[in-house]
Amino acid sequence: DVKVTQSSRYLVKRTGEKVFLECVQDMDHENMFWYRQDPGLGLRLIYFSYDVKMKEKGDIPEGYSVSREKKERFSLILESASTNQTSMYLCASRYDGTANSPLHFGNGTRLTVT
Amino acid sequence: AQSVTQPDIHITVSEGASLELRCNYSYGATPYLFWYVQSPGQGLQLLLKYFSGDTLVQGIKGFEAEFKRSQSSFNLRKPSVHWSDAAEYFCAVGRGATNKLIFGTGTLLAVQP
Repeated sequence: DVKVTQSSRYLVKRTGEKVFLECVQDMDHENMFWYRQDPGLGLRLIYFSYDVKMKEKGDIPEGYSVSREKKERFSLILESASTNQTSMYLCASRYDGTANSPLHFGNGTRLTVT
Repeated sequence: AQSVTQPDIHITVSEGASLELRCNYSYGATPYLFWYVQSPGQGLQLLLKYFSGDTLVQGIKGFEAEFKRSQSSFNLRKPSVHWSDAAEYFCAVGRGATNKLIFGTGTLLAVQP
């Protein structure tokens, strides 16, 4: 079974802090994703990586950056956390970009910015 | 731009009753369509997917979905709901050359005993 592990289940940070959310997958997947999930808004794509050191902006990249130095790890960075970034963050991975390659999700990191 | 609409925010059904969750998409070509389920405190799990062929697709946990191009719909169905089906359900469409998944806003399903 594919395992996608997000390093923290809950995080509480202060406004202005630099925040790192880590995600690791154990199945040599090419593609990795960061989504944020908010009530009534569903999942919105922040960033997508289709290979090591390759990334593409999603629909809401403002205030975020990402890093993918190794294939198994995809980090989401909040350069200067703000209260409107309080949310649930979901990481996902898939083998490749073909249609029959499903996403595998981690259990999420609930971030609170005070 | 491609998009997914789930018109029902919240649905309550009785255990043993049938279920249909609606999903409408906006996409120019033949879409890649997915249904995912999220149980409380968990990540999302794939229920089923459609990308070609038979328009009625079977998934896990007794779910099925039907692709109707004329209605731009991909509704999820289950003939008899179990209490363990209470969860949030998301429809998604693959977008662009890299097939990024775009999700709907979700439908929260409650099951009454």
